[in-house]
Amino acid sequence: EVQLVESGGGLVQPGGSLRLSCAASGFTFSSYAMSWVRQAPGKGLEWVSAISGSGGSTYYADSVKGRFTISRDNSKNTLYLQMNSLRAEDTAVYYCASEDYGGKPGSGAFDIWGQGTMVTVSS
Amino acid sequence: SYELTQPLSVSVALGQTARITCGGNNIGSKNVHWYQQKPGQAPVLVIYRDSNRPSGIPERFSGSNSGNTATLTISRAQAGDEADYYCQVWDSSTAWVFGGGTKLTVL
Repeated sequence: EVQLVESGGGLVQPGGSLRLSCAASGFTFSSYAMSWVRQAPGKGLEWVSAISGSGGSTYYADSVKGRFTISRDNSKNTLYLQMNSLRAEDTAVYYCASEDYGGKPGSGAFDIWGQGTMVTVSS
Repeated sequence: SYELTQPLSVSVALGQTARITCGGNNIGSKNVHWYQQKPGQAPVLVIYRDSNRPSGIPERFSGSNSGNTATLTISRAQAGDEADYYCQVWDSSTAWVFGGGTKLTVL
């Protein structure tokens, strides 16, 4: 079965750090670009970061640039998001998603999504 | 940065046709993807690359893209189509961009 399973969410204080993981199964993980997308409570979808299939190219939304780092371990079929200097406005459900075509971000659509993991930034 | 504009809400009578628009500068030159999201669930891809339906998505869902507007059309709307819908494109300067989302209500 093709699936993505996120983990690592939780409650963290402002200024703190958290690392999210996304475990992939059922497809050739290294062949596809991956992204993190977040959704604040009651708000719309916001793309956060993307990485190429090889891991050699990364992209970030301006809102997280310099604070978040995306990476992947193709030997473990796992995507990561290291989040530092967290702010209250980073509170959201974080989804990982896989593109349906090609290893370069922007080549395809997000055909596979995880169930999401909640990150709450609060003192 | 590139921006996508969607109406906040669209209403449609049961069995009629709903059209949800997504506006962007010269969006017709880009590939547009559409997602459906129901409360408490992850988004689901319903249209990719302007007008293609993934397997399992009913033929009632269709898409078009030209000029400055892309459109998601839902024919013979059903109660189960009530959801939030998001358009998405890749922009060479901004990377991935989502529209603000449209809440579809089936009356």
